[in-house]
Amino acid sequence: DVKVTQSSRYLVKRTGEKVFLECVQDMDHENMFWYRQDPGLGLRLIYFSYDVKMKEKGDIPEGYSVSREKKERFSLILESASTNQTSMYLCASSFGQGASWAKNIQYFGAGTRLSVL
Amino acid sequence: GENVEQHPSTLSVQEGDSAVIKCTYSDSASNYFPWYKQELGKRPQLIIDIRSNVGEKKDQRIAVTLNKTAKHFSLHITETQPEDSAVYFCAPTNAGKSTFGDGTTLTVKP
Repeated sequence: DVKVTQSSRYLVKRTGEKVFLECVQDMDHENMFWYRQDPGLGLRLIYFSYDVKMKEKGDIPEGYSVSREKKERFSLILESASTNQTSMYLCASSFGQGASWAKNIQYFGAGTRLSVL
Repeated sequence: GENVEQHPSTLSVQEGDSAVIKCTYSDSASNYFPWYKQELGKRPQLIIDIRSNVGEKKDQRIAVTLNKTAKHFSLHITETQPEDSAVYFCAPTNAGKSTFGDGTTLTVKP
């Protein structure tokens, strides 16, 4: 079974704080993703990574950065948290390699609910 | 970028009825079309997918149909059960990157 683990289920931070959200996968997946989920807005892609030290902006990257120093770990960083970043954050990974269509299946972590006060 | 529209946003059916959710996308390069189910308080999980060279795929009570010319694909659930109640997301995918629809909240009334 694929395991995608997010370090915290709930976080409460103050405006202006630097926030780190960590995600680890144990299936040697190439691709990793960070989404935020807000009611009625689906899952919006913040950043994704196709390989170690590689990152690409998603649809809503403003106010966020990411780090992927090791293949299994993908971190989301809020440099200076703001109240409009209060949300559910979901990490996902996919195999990304090979000919099988299964390489595209995304496996999600349980999510981190972040509140910025 | 990809523009994805999912309809309806909410759907309520009686147990045993069928449910259909439609997803329209804009990127003609999308070549993989999954549906994810998210139960309350849980993570999204893949329930069925289809690739661009196939028109229909069925897995027991669920099926997905794809019309690549019209750029839409649909999720069909037959003989709905209370445990089908969840939020469903379409996620057309190109080169491994998925764009999720806004979700459809399905409620199955016993």
